[in-house]
Order: sequence, then C-alpha cells, then structure tokens
Amino acid sequence: ETGVTQSPTHLIKTRGQQVTLRCSSQSGHNTVSWYQQALGQGPQFIFQYYREEENGRGNFPPRFSGLQFPNYSSELNVNALELDDSALYLCASSPQRGTEAFFGQGTRLTVV
Amino acid sequence: GQQVMQIPQYQHVQEGEDFTTYCNSSTTLSNIQWYKQRPGGHPVFLIQLVKSGEVKKQKRLTFQFGEAKKNSSLHITATQTTDVGTYFCAGLLAGGTSYGKLTFGQGTILTVHP
Repeated sequence: ETGVTQSPTHLIKTRGQQVTLRCSSQSGHNTVSWYQQALGQGPQFIFQYYREEENGRGNFPPRFSGLQFPNYSSELNVNALELDDSALYLCASSPQRGTEAFFGQGTRLTVV
Repeated sequence: GQQVMQIPQYQHVQEGEDFTTYCNSSTTLSNIQWYKQRPGGHPVFLIQLVKSGEVKKQKRLTFQFGEAKKNSSLHITATQTTDVGTYFCAGLLAGGTSYGKLTFGQGTILTVHP
C-alpha cells in the first residue's frame, strides 16, 4: 500500500511569486486535506477536497487555492507569496471524510 | 471559531515516569483524534475517540474522551526514549460547512531523559 507522497520536499520562492505543491493520496482514499504548519505550532487547516470538490475551508485568503484530480491526487496553489507563508505544508488523505488523516512528509516552503 | 487548547506546552520527564497531556475544545466535538510528530517528521495518527466518556488503550498509552465531548487526555505510563515527540490532539466538528475540518491543538512537546 502506497502512502501519501508530496513534492517537492523543499522549495525557496521570492515574495510575490506563485507556487504549486503536489500530493498523491494513499490508495483507496477519496478525501484530501491541506494544512499549514508554522514552526512550533499545530497544523492549521487550509481546505479539504472530497471527490474533486472543495468540501471545507479554513481561515486562509483566496490566494490559497487547490484542485483534486480524478485519481484523488491534489494540488495546492498559493499566489502572491508573502513572507508569512513560509511554513511546512502538509497534505493528508483519509479513507472517508471525518476519519483518520494520513499525512505526507510535507513540503518545506521558504519565502524570501 | 472553534478553538482547541492543549496543555502543557512542554513536558520534560525522566525515563520511566508517567506523562499526561490535556486537550480542551471551545465547542462540542464529533470526535477527537491524537497524533504524534517526531522532530523533523510529519504527524502520525494514533487513535480516534468518538463516544462520550470513551477510554481506549494502546499498550502504555491511554486515551480518554470527556463526557461532554469537549475535552480529552493522553496518558503515557512509564515513558521510554522512543516516546519523544510532539503530541497533538485534533478535534472534528460534526456536519455543516466545517465537516472534515480538523482543528489541531498547539501540541505538547515531550522530552524523555534517559
């Protein structure tokens, strides 16, 4: 059984740029969630996708957007990067909504 | 909005001592989940509690869900160096537009001295 994989693992971007992060969900999981984890903090919910539709959103501005594809893989897009966007971005897949989340290893984004 | 508070923020113990972390939600939860994150790693699912007053055990770990489904605790008996990491609780609201949104506490960092 393949786990959740994210790419890239590390990324450095300049303020104002755009970034796309990718996630392959665990086999058989139809729900993908994205989280932002700042250093020393708990993960903060960005949004969730279920069967290719956004299913819930946290307190993040519209410049954070996402997609889920028919194979349940997902992308997180962030436009107009700000310094405060520097964080670990975690993708998690779940077999069903509201069940346990299986996290990928994350993408460490640094905005300079 | 929903808040999940976790205490203590840090806990240093000697190997063999017990450890407890507490989690409180501002709103009633559908379920609560616990995760462990090793330094430099990603959160790993430990357990999910659903029923009011539920108690679950995993070897040396005991998880409790409060009667009002607003608080929870994780207790580790006789800690080992392998228990080192940050323990997070994460609450899930039932239904509505927040369905599926896990709200994490800020975590308790456990250090175990051999």
